[in-house]
Amino acid sequence: GQNIDQPTEMTATEGAIVQINCTYQTSGFNGLFWYQQHAGEAPTFLSYNVLDGLEEKGRFSSFLSRSKGYSYLLLKELQMKDSASYLCAVKDSNYQLIWGAGTKLIIKP
Amino acid sequence: GAVVSQHPSRVICKSGTSVKIECRSLDFQATTMFWYRQFPKKSLMLMATSNEGSKATYEQGVEKDKFLINHASLTLSTLTVTSAHPEDSSFYICSAPGQGSDASPLHFGNGTRLTVT
Repeated sequence: GQNIDQPTEMTATEGAIVQINCTYQTSGFNGLFWYQQHAGEAPTFLSYNVLDGLEEKGRFSSFLSRSKGYSYLLLKELQMKDSASYLCAVKDSNYQLIWGAGTKLIIKP
Repeated sequence: GAVVSQHPSRVICKSGTSVKIECRSLDFQATTMFWYRQFPKKSLMLMATSNEGSKATYEQGVEKDKFLINHASLTLSTLTVTSAHPEDSSFYICSAPGQGSDASPLHFGNGTRLTVT
């Protein structure tokens, strides 16, 4: 079966750095997405990786290793507004999005 | 950028009634839209894929007669929860694929919080 694993919850301190990991086992791979979702709201797009390596976008970076079935989202200079759930999603061989359960990130002052 | 509008954002209804949720693509045409359901602290669960001009494709375990989907035009898809029951209470979100390449992300509506009493 297809599976995406992320930690359920993480806690970090304002101003610090946090890395959220995602491992996947899917039938084929056509890209990996990271989304941010605040409670009661729809997800918003953060990043996309299809080739191995690091993609940097301001305070957020995303890394992919296809051979390891592994990605991480790196958040720097954490702000209170970064408290949210972070969803990892993979497009499989049929270009269907497979979603992880999300990681709830709690930022403390 | 591309925007998807979903309405209503919240609805409370009584058991046995039907509720219609609308999803519109505002500045682009969407031949395909996706309907998701999300339980508290859980991931998005794809319910069905709405196809303009043809029948929706439902995921396994989703009742077609319970969740009616109509994709009437290139900018509008609707989900009707028929004869709603308390267990149908959930957060429903629609989305449309981005235009262009496979790198294009999904564009989500703001979701509808359904509460059935």
